[in-house]
Amino acid sequence: KAGVTQTPRYLIKTRGQQVTLSCSPISGHRSVSWYQQTPGQGLQFLFEYFSETQRNKGNFPGRFSGRQFSNSRSEMNVSTLELGDSALYLCASSLLDGGNSPLHFGNGTRLTVT
Amino acid sequence: TQLLEQSPQFLSIQEGENLTVYCNSSSVFSSLQWYRQEPGEGPVLLVTVVTGGEVKKLKRLTFQFGDARKDSSLHITAAQPGDTGLYLCAGAYMRFGAGTRLTVKP
Repeated sequence: KAGVTQTPRYLIKTRGQQVTLSCSPISGHRSVSWYQQTPGQGLQFLFEYFSETQRNKGNFPGRFSGRQFSNSRSEMNVSTLELGDSALYLCASSLLDGGNSPLHFGNGTRLTVT
Repeated sequence: TQLLEQSPQFLSIQEGENLTVYCNSSSVFSSLQWYRQEPGEGPVLLVTVVTGGEVKKLKRLTFQFGDARKDSSLHITAAQPGDTGLYLCAGAYMRFGAGTRLTVKP
């Protein structure tokens, strides 16, 4: 069974630009959640999508948005990039929604904002 | 918001030593998960604990869920360099602790 796939693996952008990250979940998984990981803040929850609907949202500004397609693939968009957005962005898929279902993570997209 | 506090933040030990890391909260959890993350990779699920007082073993790793389901511990026996990584606990609704970064020196 193929794991969670995130593309691209690395990305360099400049301040003010926008970026779109992609996540393909494990086949059959309908929940996709996104996280930002930085050395100072750890792993922080951005949002969760289940069956194309955003179910939960973390405490991030509106510049961070996402969506999920009918095939469960998900994209995350960050507009007007800031230096502080430099981080490893992880997505995870799970069979069920909510918070108690085990998460299967991709290897992340490392975003550097210069 | 259910906050999870992990301790210690960093741990560096020699191969063969035993260690315990902790995950604590003031909130009750219906379940708690432990993950290990290695450099350049995403976290990988180690175990889910559900019942208060539950103990689960995974080879040299022993996980315990507190009786009140507010805390958990991970004990590693005879640590090996391959155990090196970031250990994360997670409660419901995708809330993670900051993690314990373990380094096992050969």
